[in-house]
Amino acid sequence: AQSVAQPEDQVNVAEGNPLTVKCTYSVSGNPYLFWYVQYPNRGLQFLLKYITGDNLVKGSYGFEAEFNKSQTSFHLKKPSALVSDSALYFCAVRDMGNTPLVFGKGTRLSVIA
Amino acid sequence: DADVTQTPRNRITKTGKRIMLECSQTKGHDRMYWYRQDPGLGLRLIYYSFDVKDINKGEISDGYSVSRQAQAKFSLSLESAIPNQTALYFCATSDPGQGTIGEQFFGPGTRLTVL
Repeated sequence: AQSVAQPEDQVNVAEGNPLTVKCTYSVSGNPYLFWYVQYPNRGLQFLLKYITGDNLVKGSYGFEAEFNKSQTSFHLKKPSALVSDSALYFCAVRDMGNTPLVFGKGTRLSVIA
Repeated sequence: DADVTQTPRNRITKTGKRIMLECSQTKGHDRMYWYRQDPGLGLRLIYYSFDVKDINKGEISDGYSVSRQAQAKFSLSLESAIPNQTALYFCATSDPGQGTIGEQFFGPGTRLTVL
């Protein structure tokens, strides 16, 4: 069975500093990995995904994520955080078969001015 | 995603009432999903459908039922609502044949409160 762990419920970072939101996964075979963001009173918005190829994936709003197969991780990063990045972030995984996404519990990012 | 709509957006109901949440999409996707979101628990899959004739239970299907009336419509029903079904409910769609492998597109959510 697939699973995702987001070990931090909350991440606080000062504006302008780099941010990292952690994600580890478990899946049979090769994974498809995703990051979504949820702003208050909104649905989930797609940020980026890893399917195959380059381990560093670039996405929307300056975010990127690094796929590390040996550590089964897919951490979300941004070089310089903005206050507007404050939101709830979800990591998700699926295998290469016909399975729906499995989501982590979410990490709340708070960027402080 | 404006191509995935959910009605109602907010609903307050009483224990024991039957309630239906509706989802419509104009993306032309075959696959549709219902999730619920609870604080600290993330999104959990209730039911999913890969086409009109295909319905599958998810992680937490007990107490829920679904109907796939057409490719574009997927409804979630609570036959007899209970307070622990108070949550934020999301509908999502996907279609691997359109070059968006695995990516799911979410509606705005329905906030359901069961008193």
